[in-house]
Amino acid sequence: QKEVEQNSGPLSVPEGAIASLNCTYSDRGSQSFFWYRQYSGKSPELIMFIYSNGDKEDGRFTAQLNKASQYVSLLIRDSQPSDSATYLCAVKPLGGTSYGKLTFGQGTILTVHP
Amino acid sequence: DGGITQSPKYLFRKEGQNVTLSCEQNLNHDAMYWYRQDPGQGLRLIYYSQIVNDFQKGDIAEGYSVSREKKESFPLTVTSAQKNPTAFYLCASSIPNREGAFFGQGTRLTVV
Repeated sequence: QKEVEQNSGPLSVPEGAIASLNCTYSDRGSQSFFWYRQYSGKSPELIMFIYSNGDKEDGRFTAQLNKASQYVSLLIRDSQPSDSATYLCAVKPLGGTSYGKLTFGQGTILTVHP
Repeated sequence: DGGITQSPKYLFRKEGQNVTLSCEQNLNHDAMYWYRQDPGQGLRLIYYSQIVNDFQKGDIAEGYSVSREKKESFPLTVTSAQKNPTAFYLCASSIPNREGAFFGQGTRLTVV
């Protein structure tokens, strides 16, 4: 089993819809959870992180964490064509002192069509 | 402007040659990282360094070497021992008490 697993997609949604991206992780001691957006040919860009159970909202983005189920998701409301990218889920292990030492999933390709 | 600069953006090398990828940051971040990304895959950690003159192996360190002689610089050498060096290489940095890694623009290495 992969440590961090995402649906590879591609996920296609119409403009204005809600896009839902999912991620599961195997290390129950994981501490922090991240969503990165990566446009084609570019480097990843941090869009959200979460470390407490529940929801965290930032503009059109909502991250949801359920540690009991070892599940983290990202919702994108009012999806725009500019949201079309690969979304990477990443996990930081418990006790990690290095804030950028992360384990990544393989990414989900999102396409928002007009 | 503060940031992480990787150079060059594209790099071509012949098989069997060592190659060094540059990473410089002016963010005054203590920790720096090298990740590798293959097509359709996530990022995998090669090496990381939390302070000058100290670094640790990540998950896929074989065939790579690094140095950290200055806080601002963390070069990665891809040696001839690395069996599949063609990939997208990403340098990142982080600071204590601020979650996450922040990436440079990457170097795409092609070995022919």
